[in-house]
Amino acid sequence: GQQLNQSPQSMFIQEGEDVSMNCTSSSIFNTWLWYKQDPGEGPVLLIALYKAGELTSNGRLTAQFGITRKDSFLNISASIPSDVGIYFCAGQLAAGAGKSTFGDGTTLTVKP
Amino acid sequence: DTEVTQTPKHLVMGMTNKKSLKCEQHMGHRAMYWYKQKAKKPPELMFVYSYEKLSINESVPSRFSPECPNSSLLNLHLHALQPEDSALYLCASSQGRQTNYGYTFGSGTRLTVV
Repeated sequence: GQQLNQSPQSMFIQEGEDVSMNCTSSSIFNTWLWYKQDPGEGPVLLIALYKAGELTSNGRLTAQFGITRKDSFLNISASIPSDVGIYFCAGQLAAGAGKSTFGDGTTLTVKP
Repeated sequence: DTEVTQTPKHLVMGMTNKKSLKCEQHMGHRAMYWYKQKAKKPPELMFVYSYEKLSINESVPSRFSPECPNSSLLNLHLHALQPEDSALYLCASSQGRQTNYGYTFGSGTRLTVV
């Protein structure tokens, strides 16, 4: 089956720093999604990307759909303590679109 | 209403018990999902319902039995579970199988099998 490689696995940063994480796949996806999960909660959708090359922002978050359709990255600018959590990328195909493939997650720790 | 509501939030059950997890959404979504998540791991797909019909079963053991009574409700019936089945069980919904708008997840049920 399809697999996503998400990196880095974990990050420890100082408040105010920028963060970058990415996902790569051996096969293409037609949609890339980025979720954040807080402890004891379900993942929450942050950004959805639908077209190769697309760059989309949501507040301090910016994500891009790679032009090869095999990768995506997420940037967080000026991190704050509430950015702490696990960030997951997920890819979807057009056919059988209900099924998402998730990356292993990036655990972000922000030191005040 | 933009939420997926899961009950109970926590559940402890013995290996001989029968219990059910419940999930409800009122967003008009026609696809609903059960995921299992172990600590520090991504969610793993278990079942997909599309228009109240089971469309994907990811080779889940028969001790997990899903049910979709109507378009707003999704249940997961549990019987004779093993300690390794302890995990966070997440319900999610989306607009429909042919749309790519991502999932809305519930907060999950933390299941402990003793």
